[in-house]
Amino acid sequence: AQSVSQHNHHVILSEAASLELGCNYSYGGTVNLFWYVQYPGQHLQLLLKYFSGDPLVKGIKGFEAEFIKSKFSFNLRKPSVQWSDTAEYFCAVNADTGFQKLVFGTGTRLLVSP
Amino acid sequence: GAGVSQTPSNKVTEKGKYVELRCDPISGHTALYWYRQSLGQGPEFLIYFQGTGAADDSGLPNDRFFAVRPEGSVSTLKIQRTERGDSAVYLCASSLTGVSTDTQYFGPGTRLTVL
Repeated sequence: AQSVSQHNHHVILSEAASLELGCNYSYGGTVNLFWYVQYPGQHLQLLLKYFSGDPLVKGIKGFEAEFIKSKFSFNLRKPSVQWSDTAEYFCAVNADTGFQKLVFGTGTRLLVSP
Repeated sequence: GAGVSQTPSNKVTEKGKYVELRCDPISGHTALYWYRQSLGQGPEFLIYFQGTGAADDSGLPNDRFFAVRPEGSVSTLKIQRTERGDSAVYLCASSLTGVSTDTQYFGPGTRLTVL
């Protein structure tokens, strides 16, 4: 069975600091990888996804993530965070076998202080 | 166009009662998913529909949970004999074709509280 680990449960940063949120998955086959974000009072929305090609994926709002197959990792990065990035971030994976369900990590709460 | 909508936004019920939660997917999306999110956890898969049929219901916790999508659009998640442990946010998502690389678009969720 697939599983996703997000080791940072809470992160507090000052504006302009750099961000890296860890995500590791457990699955032996080919996977598709996703980062979703949930801003306060809003629903989950997609930040970026990877399914093939360049392992460095760029998403919305200046976020990027790098797929490192040998480490089973898909870490999310942003060079300079803003107060508006305060949100909960979820990493998710599904198997690239036509099997649709997403398996989510437990999420990381990011608080950016102005 | 409109996103995924879910009704009600909040539902409070008593232990043992029956509840129905509704999901309206994005128009034209053939795939529909239900997830459940407990406090401090990520969403957990319940069931996936491709058109009218349940293609994967492996996440339903027990036979008190049932979902339908009779016309391939709106879906209803039904919970019988609710228990306090059923309290959670129930999320619905839809995607265009259901292939694994598709983006799933989530609704705002229904917060279910079982007293």
